[in-house]
Amino acid sequence: EVQLVESGRGLVQPGESLRLSCAASGFTFSDYGMNWVRQAPGKGLEWISFISSSNSIKWHADSVKGRFTISRDNARNTLYLQMNSLRDEDTAVYYCARERRDGYNDFWGRGLRVTVSS
Amino acid sequence: DIQLTQSPSFLSASVGDRVTITCRASQDISSYLAWYQQKPGRAPKLLIYAASSLQTGVPSRFSGSGSGTEFTLSITSLQPEDFATYYCQHLKTYPYTCGQGTKLEIK
Repeated sequence: EVQLVESGRGLVQPGESLRLSCAASGFTFSDYGMNWVRQAPGKGLEWISFISSSNSIKWHADSVKGRFTISRDNARNTLYLQMNSLRDEDTAVYYCARERRDGYNDFWGRGLRVTVSS
Repeated sequence: DIQLTQSPSFLSASVGDRVTITCRASQDISSYLAWYQQKPGRAPKLLIYAASSLQTGVPSRFSGSGSGTEFTLSITSLQPEDFATYYCQHLKTYPYTCGQGTKLEIK
């Protein structure tokens, strides 16, 4: 069974850093691209970061570029999101999602709520 | 960036009804469109990909159509578990963006 489980601290202050992890199981992690998608309270979905299966391609949305960095460790079946210089507007539920070769996100984690507040 | 506009934003319907949700793109996205269902406190679930292909395990009462700039998601014979929020998402170019969502409520 495919499983994606996000983890990380839930409450941080503005300006602080946080690393999110996403532990994958039930599939060959190194065969799939991965995404981080977030959802601010009461809002829609925002794709913020993508990493290819081999780590060779990375993309970040303008809203997080220069502050967030996506990475992965295929030996540990784990996806990461390093979040620096956090702002109030980064408050959201963060999901990791598996991306098929055709680009569609077919499995998602349960999500991790991150609150940025002083 | 490509903008997606869903209509309606809210939809009230009864069990057994047929409903249609529309998603319009600000430019031609061919068939690079997905539909997701999201229930409160849950992750999104992929329903339709490539505009009209049904994701494995999704009931056949869900269907998608369209190409270019106009797309629809239809649900026939609504079931109680279908009341949720639905999003369209394009995959034409980065950044992938979503519509604002359509909340389907029980009448």
